[in-house]
Formats: sequence, structure tokens, C-alpha cells
Amino acid sequence: KQEVTQIPAALSVPEGENLVLNCSFTDSAIYNLQWFRQDPGKGLTSLLLIQSSQREQTSGRLNASLDKSSGRSTLYIAASQPGDSATYLCAVIDDYKLSFGAGTTVTVRA
Amino acid sequence: NAGVTQTPKFQVLKTGQSMTLQCAQDMNHEYMSWYRQDPGMGLRLIHYSVGAGITDQGEVPNGYNVSRSTTEDFPLRLLSAAPSQTSVYFCASRVRGDGYTFGSGTRLTVV
Repeated sequence: KQEVTQIPAALSVPEGENLVLNCSFTDSAIYNLQWFRQDPGKGLTSLLLIQSSQREQTSGRLNASLDKSSGRSTLYIAASQPGDSATYLCAVIDDYKLSFGAGTTVTVRA
Repeated sequence: NAGVTQTPKFQVLKTGQSMTLQCAQDMNHEYMSWYRQDPGMGLRLIHYSVGAGITDQGEVPNGYNVSRSTTEDFPLRLLSAAPSQTSVYFCASRVRGDGYTFGSGTRLTVV
């Protein structure tokens, strides 16, 4: 069974600081990995999808890396803003199923 | 293009009642699935479908039924609601090789 772990569970930073969110998984035989954002009481918004053959993916201030051999992915958010405050979820796609980490709750202080 | 649409957004049920949570997508996605999200337990897969007429159980299927008669729709039925089914339910879909798109969720309370 795929186990996904996210560290840290919570993070508080001043505005402008770069964010580094970590995700590890136990089974490297994955299809893809997807990062989501969830605001309190809301649904999941997809941030980035990394195909299993890719090493990284970028969108604006967001960059995600994938190292299948070590079972790790990292989400970098540059120059954080208060609007980045949310819970970030890492999910491994095993064909028909998503295996989620517990998430990292980020607070960006103005 | 509405994406994944879930109805209702909120529902309160009495123990023993039955109901259907609706999920529809207009992206012609093959894969559809239902997840529940509980504090401390994260998101867990209930049932999934890889195409019309094909469904299978996920991690926590007990107490729930699904069917997939069309590509667009994937309803989740609660047969006899129990307080343990109080949760937030999310429907998601994708086409093979791409990422998942989630609906906005249904917040269900069973009293």
C-alpha cells in the first residue's frame, strides 16, 4: 500500500519568504504526482501535475520537483504572499487511485 | 465547461435515511471516483470507475453504492445513513495520463 507523508504538518512564515514543502512516498512505481491547494471549507484546487517521466514542473511562482528513485517530491513557492495561506496536499496517482498525504498547513504573515 | 459538479453542497440526514450524492462532469473523463475527507484521516477513496458500466471498491466502501450508466454521471448512494458517515465528500475525475479535477464537495451531517 502506498504511504504518503508530508513534512512539516504546519508552517508559518513572514511575507516574502520562500516556502519549501516536502512530500515522500513509499512505492516508486507511480504514474504521476499532483499537488493541490485547499482553503478552509473549500474543495481541492490542482496546482501542478508532474508526470512520472518528468523531474520538475513550473507554474508562475510554483515549482515542483520529483525524484522517483528516492520517493520524494518538493513544492517550492517563491516570494510568499498572505494569499498563499492554505493547506497544501501532495497526492500520488496510481492509475485509478490517488493516495494523499495529510497536508502541510501554511500561514503567511503580513 | 463546468468541470466537476456536485450536488447538494450541504445535507443533514437522520440515522437510517438514504440519499444520493450527485456528481457530473462535462470533460469526457474516463475515470471518476469518490473520496471522503475526515479530520485526522485525510482523504480516502470510497469507490471508483474507469468507464461507463465499470465500478470497483476503494479503501472505505462499506455503506455506499455506486453505478456508472453514462460517462458523465457517477452518483454515490448512502443506503442507510449512520453518524460515522458524517464527512465531506468529494467527487473527482480525470482522463488517463492527466491529473485529477475535483468537485467543490458535499458536506454531510448524519444525526
